[in-house]
Order: sequence, then C-alpha cells, then structure tokens
Amino acid sequence: AQKVTQAQTEISVVEKEDVTLDCVYETGDTTYYLFWYKQPPSGELVFLIRRNSFDEQNEISGRYSWNFQKSTSSFNFTITASQVVDSAVYFCALSEAWAYGNNRLAFGKGNQVVVIP
Amino acid sequence: DAGVTQSPTHLIKTRGQQVTLRCSPKSGHDTVSWYQQALGQGPQFIFQYYEEEERQRGNFPDRFSGHQFPNYSSELNVNALLLGDSALYLCASSLETGANYGYTFGSGTRLTVV
Repeated sequence: AQKVTQAQTEISVVEKEDVTLDCVYETGDTTYYLFWYKQPPSGELVFLIRRNSFDEQNEISGRYSWNFQKSTSSFNFTITASQVVDSAVYFCALSEAWAYGNNRLAFGKGNQVVVIP
Repeated sequence: DAGVTQSPTHLIKTRGQQVTLRCSPKSGHDTVSWYQQALGQGPQFIFQYYEEEERQRGNFPDRFSGHQFPNYSSELNVNALLLGDSALYLCASSLETGANYGYTFGSGTRLTVV
C-alpha cells in the first residue's frame, strides 16, 4: 500500500523568506516516483518536480530545491526567497512503478502556503 | 498547444440525480485518469482509461463509471448522487509510453450536490 503524509496544513511566510514543505511516504515497492505539484486557486495541478527512487541526488531548479532521503522516506521541498505568486496549495505525490505506463498517483493532503507581502 | 480541457467548470445537481463530466486530453496524450478532490483534501484516484478500456480503478463504488472515446477524450459518470460526491473532479492525461514522466491536469469540474 502506498501512503503520503504532509504534516503541516497551512504555512505562512513573509515574502523573501524560504519555506520548506515536509513529505513522508510509505511504499512496498523498491521502484517508485515522487512528485511535487502546485495547485493555485484556478484548480489545476501544476507539475513542479519528479524524482525516481534510484536517484537520491538533491538538486536545485531556480527557486525550487528538494531533499530526497530514502533512509527516512522523506521528500522535502523548499522554495527559496518566496514570492506572493508562490501562494498556493502544494501536494506531494507517489507513484509506484508499473509495467503499463503511468501508474496512479497517491497524494498527501497538501500544504497551503500563504506568502505575505 | 492546448492542455487538458474539462467541461463544465461548475455544476450543481440534486441528490439522486446523475451527472456526466467531460475531458479532452492534451494533444498527443492517449491515457486519461480521473481524480476526486474533496475540499481541503488531496486528490483521490478514481480510475484510468487507455485504449477505451478501464485499466485501473481506485476505491470508488460502481456508481462511478467512465468511458474513453477513439479520439482519447473521456467522460466520468456518477449515478445516484450523494451529498458526499460534492468535490472538484480533476482529469489528468498522459502518454502511455512516457512512464511516470508525469501527468497534465485540467482545471477541474466543481460539482456541488444539494
């Protein structure tokens, strides 16, 4: 069974501060994929980053960075120098490997990020 | 290049009625998945369609059914609506050969059951 836990519900930060979102996952598979999605008020889920279970290298992409640690089953996400446009709900998601293409996504409950100008 | 298009954007139905939601996938995508997102929750997987067949199904009752057409568009049908079916319904498309490269989501249909 797959499960994703995002402990914080709402996080408020002042503009230009960094914000880190925590994600803990559970899976019985050795091959899986982890994602972060952003959901603005318009409703659509916007893909941000993807990481597979065999690549623990942490990277930075613009103002986004992530910390993937298999030992603790965590996939944390950081927004550096937050901006008002970053205000949204952020979801961590897990997809187990599947022979037929894109497998279902299991989502956490999300983090509401509010950036105060 | 159009992304995923869903219609209608908002819908109000009465308990016990039936509803049909529609989705046109992103150009070039052949797989459609449907998710239900209750207020304040993460999306929950309903089912996935590929080659006009339901390939995967989440933990949803048979009142939820779907269809995929030869042009890859899809419909989600919900019968005997309950108040608890009120939610944002998201459609996501993907390419079968693009394993786990991620989905493209639509903006959803907001269903309110009264």
